[in-house]
Amino acid sequence: GQNIDQPTEMTATEGAIVQINCTYQTSGFNGLFWYQQHAGEAPTFLSYNVLDGLEEKGRFSSFLSRSKGYSYLLLKELQMKDSASYLCATGRGSTLGRLYFGRGTQLTVWP
Amino acid sequence: DGGITQSPKYLFRKEGQNVTLSCEQNLNHDAMYWYRQDPGQGLRLIYYSQIVNDFQKGDIAEGYSVSREKKESFPLTVTSAQKNPTAFYLCASSMEGLSSYNEQFFGPGTRLTVL
Repeated sequence: GQNIDQPTEMTATEGAIVQINCTYQTSGFNGLFWYQQHAGEAPTFLSYNVLDGLEEKGRFSSFLSRSKGYSYLLLKELQMKDSASYLCATGRGSTLGRLYFGRGTQLTVWP
Repeated sequence: DGGITQSPKYLFRKEGQNVTLSCEQNLNHDAMYWYRQDPGQGLRLIYYSQIVNDFQKGDIAEGYSVSREKKESFPLTVTSAQKNPTAFYLCASSMEGLSSYNEQFFGPGTRLTVL
Protein backbone atom coordinates (compact mmCIF):
# COMPACT_ATOMS: atom_id res chain seq x y z
CA GLY A 1 0.00 0.00 0.00
CA GLN A 2 0.88 3.66 0.09
CA ASN A 3 1.85 5.52 3.25
CA ILE A 4 -0.12 8.77 3.46
CA ASP A 5 -0.10 10.67 6.74
CA GLN A 6 -2.14 13.67 7.80
CA PRO A 7 -3.22 14.98 11.22
CA THR A 8 -6.42 13.50 12.59
CA GLU A 9 -7.97 16.71 13.89
CA MET A 10 -7.43 20.47 13.76
CA THR A 11 -9.35 23.43 15.14
CA ALA A 12 -9.35 27.11 14.18
CA THR A 13 -11.49 30.20 14.54
CA GLU A 14 -13.50 32.06 11.95
CA GLY A 15 -11.43 34.43 9.84
CA ALA A 16 -8.18 32.66 10.64
CA ILE A 17 -5.79 30.77 8.35
CA VAL A 18 -5.14 27.04 8.75
CA GLN A 19 -2.61 24.77 7.06
CA ILE A 20 -3.32 21.04 6.78
CA ASN A 21 -0.24 18.96 6.06
CA CYS A 22 0.04 15.69 4.19
CA THR A 23 3.13 13.54 3.81
CA TYR A 24 3.30 10.57 1.51
CA GLN A 25 5.54 7.74 0.43
CA THR A 26 4.11 6.75 -2.93
CA SER A 27 6.34 4.86 -5.31
CA GLY A 28 5.84 6.14 -8.83
CA PHE A 29 4.10 9.25 -7.52
CA ASN A 30 1.74 10.72 -10.08
CA GLY A 31 -0.10 13.67 -8.60
CA LEU A 32 -1.80 14.67 -5.36
CA PHE A 33 -5.44 15.55 -4.79
CA TRP A 34 -7.22 17.30 -1.95
CA TYR A 35 -10.91 16.62 -1.32
CA GLN A 36 -13.36 18.14 1.14
CA GLN A 37 -15.97 15.94 2.80
CA HIS A 38 -18.78 17.18 5.03
CA ALA A 39 -20.19 14.66 7.49
CA GLY A 40 -22.36 12.05 5.78
CA GLU A 41 -21.77 13.51 2.34
CA ALA A 42 -19.66 12.73 -0.70
CA PRO A 43 -16.12 14.07 -1.02
CA THR A 44 -15.78 17.01 -3.39
CA PHE A 45 -12.67 17.94 -5.35
CA LEU A 46 -10.62 20.89 -4.12
CA SER A 47 -7.24 20.82 -5.85
CA TYR A 48 -4.67 18.86 -7.82
CA ASN A 49 -0.88 19.22 -7.83
CA VAL A 50 1.52 17.26 -9.97
CA LEU A 51 4.42 19.76 -10.19
CA ASP A 52 6.20 21.44 -7.31
CA GLY A 53 4.80 24.73 -6.15
CA LEU A 54 1.70 26.50 -5.03
CA GLU A 55 -1.70 26.34 -6.73
CA GLU A 56 -4.12 29.04 -5.61
CA LYS A 57 -7.87 28.89 -6.02
CA GLY A 58 -9.78 31.54 -4.14
CA ARG A 59 -9.53 31.04 -0.39
CA PHE A 60 -7.88 27.64 -0.86
CA SER A 61 -4.29 26.98 -1.93
CA SER A 62 -2.38 23.74 -2.23
CA PHE A 63 1.37 23.23 -2.22
CA LEU A 64 3.50 20.29 -3.33
CA SER A 65 7.14 19.33 -2.83
CA ARG A 66 7.83 16.06 -4.61
CA SER A 67 11.38 15.76 -3.28
CA LYS A 68 10.08 15.93 0.29
CA GLY A 69 6.92 13.87 -0.27
CA TYR A 70 4.95 16.73 1.22
CA SER A 71 1.85 18.74 0.48
CA TYR A 72 -0.29 21.20 2.36
CA LEU A 73 -3.72 22.69 1.94
CA LEU A 74 -4.02 26.30 3.06
CA LEU A 75 -7.43 27.67 3.93
CA LYS A 76 -7.73 31.44 4.38
CA GLU A 77 -10.49 33.57 5.87
CA LEU A 78 -12.03 30.54 7.50
CA GLN A 79 -15.80 30.25 7.61
CA MET A 80 -18.01 28.00 9.69
CA LYS A 81 -18.94 26.06 6.56
CA ASP A 82 -15.29 25.03 6.18
CA SER A 83 -15.78 22.63 9.09
CA ALA A 84 -15.30 19.29 7.34
CA SER A 85 -12.87 16.44 6.78
CA TYR A 86 -10.06 17.13 4.31
CA LEU A 87 -8.72 14.11 2.44
CA CYS A 88 -5.30 13.91 0.84
CA ALA A 89 -4.98 11.38 -2.00
CA THR A 90 -2.11 10.39 -4.30
CA GLY A 91 -1.98 8.82 -7.73
CA ARG A 92 0.61 6.27 -8.77
CA GLY A 93 2.04 5.73 -12.20
CA SER A 94 2.01 1.94 -12.11
CA THR A 95 -1.66 1.79 -11.18
CA LEU A 96 -3.17 4.49 -13.32
CA GLY A 97 -6.74 5.17 -12.38
CA ARG A 98 -6.39 4.45 -8.70
CA LEU A 99 -6.16 7.02 -5.94
CA TYR A 100 -4.73 6.26 -2.50
CA PHE A 101 -6.42 8.17 0.29
CA GLY A 102 -5.17 9.27 3.69
CA ARG A 103 -7.46 9.01 6.72
CA GLY A 104 -8.51 12.63 6.49
CA THR A 105 -8.12 15.64 8.78
CA GLN A 106 -11.26 16.73 10.64
CA LEU A 107 -11.25 20.53 10.78
CA THR A 108 -13.55 22.33 13.23
CA VAL A 109 -14.02 26.06 12.79
CA TRP A 110 -15.23 27.92 15.89
CA PRO A 111 -17.02 31.27 15.85
CA ASP B 1 -27.89 17.31 -15.06
CA GLY B 2 -24.90 14.99 -15.19
CA GLY B 3 -23.86 13.16 -12.10
CA ILE B 4 -23.59 9.97 -10.10
CA THR B 5 -26.53 8.49 -8.28
CA GLN B 6 -26.52 5.90 -5.54
CA SER B 7 -29.62 4.38 -4.08
CA PRO B 8 -30.88 4.02 -1.51
CA LYS B 9 -29.36 6.58 0.85
CA TYR B 10 -29.94 4.30 3.86
CA LEU B 11 -30.19 0.51 3.74
CA PHE B 12 -30.87 -1.99 6.49
CA ARG B 13 -30.34 -5.72 6.17
CA LYS B 14 -30.33 -8.74 8.38
CA GLU B 15 -27.11 -10.58 9.02
CA GLY B 16 -26.52 -13.36 6.50
CA GLN B 17 -28.35 -11.66 3.62
CA ASN B 18 -26.69 -10.50 0.45
CA VAL B 19 -27.43 -6.92 -0.58
CA THR B 20 -26.75 -5.01 -3.79
CA LEU B 21 -25.94 -1.30 -3.84
CA SER B 22 -26.58 0.55 -7.06
CA CYS B 23 -24.39 3.14 -8.71
CA GLU B 24 -25.30 4.89 -11.95
CA GLN B 25 -23.47 7.69 -13.77
CA ASN B 26 -24.41 9.73 -16.84
CA LEU B 27 -21.08 11.53 -17.13
CA ASN B 28 -19.88 9.18 -19.88
CA HIS B 29 -16.94 8.23 -17.67
CA ASP B 30 -14.96 5.11 -18.45
CA ALA B 31 -13.82 4.28 -14.92
CA MET B 32 -15.87 3.56 -11.82
CA TYR B 33 -14.90 2.81 -8.23
CA TRP B 34 -16.36 1.52 -4.97
CA TYR B 35 -15.03 2.69 -1.62
CA ARG B 36 -15.89 1.87 1.93
CA GLN B 37 -15.60 4.45 4.71
CA ASP B 38 -15.76 3.66 8.41
CA PRO B 39 -16.07 6.33 11.16
CA GLY B 40 -12.91 8.41 11.43
CA GLN B 41 -11.33 6.55 8.53
CA GLY B 42 -10.32 7.46 5.05
CA LEU B 43 -11.61 5.79 1.90
CA ARG B 44 -10.65 2.18 1.26
CA LEU B 45 -10.96 0.84 -2.25
CA ILE B 46 -13.10 -2.26 -2.70
CA TYR B 47 -13.24 -2.73 -6.49
CA TYR B 48 -12.66 -0.61 -9.54
CA SER B 49 -13.38 -0.85 -13.23
CA GLN B 50 -11.46 0.99 -15.90
CA ILE B 51 -13.60 -0.18 -18.80
CA VAL B 52 -16.83 -2.05 -19.46
CA ASN B 53 -16.70 -5.80 -18.81
CA ASP B 54 -13.49 -5.52 -16.79
CA PHE B 55 -12.80 -4.85 -13.11
CA GLN B 56 -10.01 -5.27 -10.57
CA LYS B 57 -9.90 -5.94 -6.85
CA GLY B 58 -8.96 -3.09 -4.58
CA ASP B 59 -7.50 -3.38 -1.11
CA ILE B 60 -10.51 -4.91 0.67
CA ALA B 61 -12.38 -6.95 -1.95
CA GLU B 62 -13.09 -10.01 0.23
CA GLY B 63 -16.80 -10.50 0.79
CA TYR B 64 -17.79 -8.20 -2.07
CA SER B 65 -18.58 -8.70 -5.76
CA VAL B 66 -19.20 -6.36 -8.69
CA SER B 67 -20.21 -6.37 -12.34
CA ARG B 68 -19.70 -3.86 -15.13
CA GLU B 69 -22.01 -4.85 -17.97
CA LYS B 70 -22.82 -1.27 -18.95
CA LYS B 71 -20.69 1.85 -18.96
CA GLU B 72 -23.23 3.68 -16.82
CA SER B 73 -23.65 1.11 -14.07
CA PHE B 74 -21.38 -0.52 -11.50
CA PRO B 75 -23.42 -2.36 -8.84
CA LEU B 76 -21.76 -3.66 -5.69
CA THR B 77 -22.99 -6.77 -3.90
CA VAL B 78 -22.17 -7.14 -0.22
CA THR B 79 -22.26 -10.86 0.45
CA SER B 80 -22.82 -12.74 3.68
CA ALA B 81 -19.09 -13.54 3.64
CA GLN B 82 -18.25 -9.92 4.48
CA LYS B 83 -17.53 -10.05 8.22
CA ASN B 84 -18.32 -6.44 9.11
CA PRO B 85 -20.47 -4.92 6.38
CA THR B 86 -21.94 -1.97 8.28
CA ALA B 87 -20.32 1.13 6.74
CA PHE B 88 -20.76 4.12 4.43
CA TYR B 89 -20.28 3.06 0.79
CA LEU B 90 -19.20 5.57 -1.83
CA CYS B 91 -19.21 5.12 -5.57
CA ALA B 92 -17.04 7.30 -7.81
CA SER B 93 -16.22 7.70 -11.47
CA SER B 94 -13.48 9.31 -13.52
CA MET B 95 -13.21 10.22 -17.17
CA GLU B 96 -10.45 7.83 -18.18
CA GLY B 97 -9.38 4.80 -16.25
CA LEU B 98 -5.82 4.93 -17.49
CA SER B 99 -5.15 8.64 -17.35
CA SER B 100 -2.44 10.18 -15.21
CA TYR B 101 -4.94 12.87 -14.21
CA ASN B 102 -7.64 11.06 -12.37
CA GLU B 103 -10.08 13.41 -10.69
CA GLN B 104 -12.80 11.24 -9.25
CA PHE B 105 -16.40 12.37 -8.88
CA PHE B 106 -18.38 10.86 -6.04
CA GLY B 107 -21.97 9.82 -5.57
CA PRO B 108 -23.91 10.75 -2.40
CA GLY B 109 -23.19 7.41 -0.73
CA THR B 110 -25.24 4.59 0.79
CA ARG B 111 -25.15 3.96 4.51
CA LEU B 112 -25.57 0.22 5.03
CA THR B 113 -26.50 -1.13 8.45
CA VAL B 114 -26.56 -4.86 9.03
CA LEU B 115 -28.63 -5.87 12.02
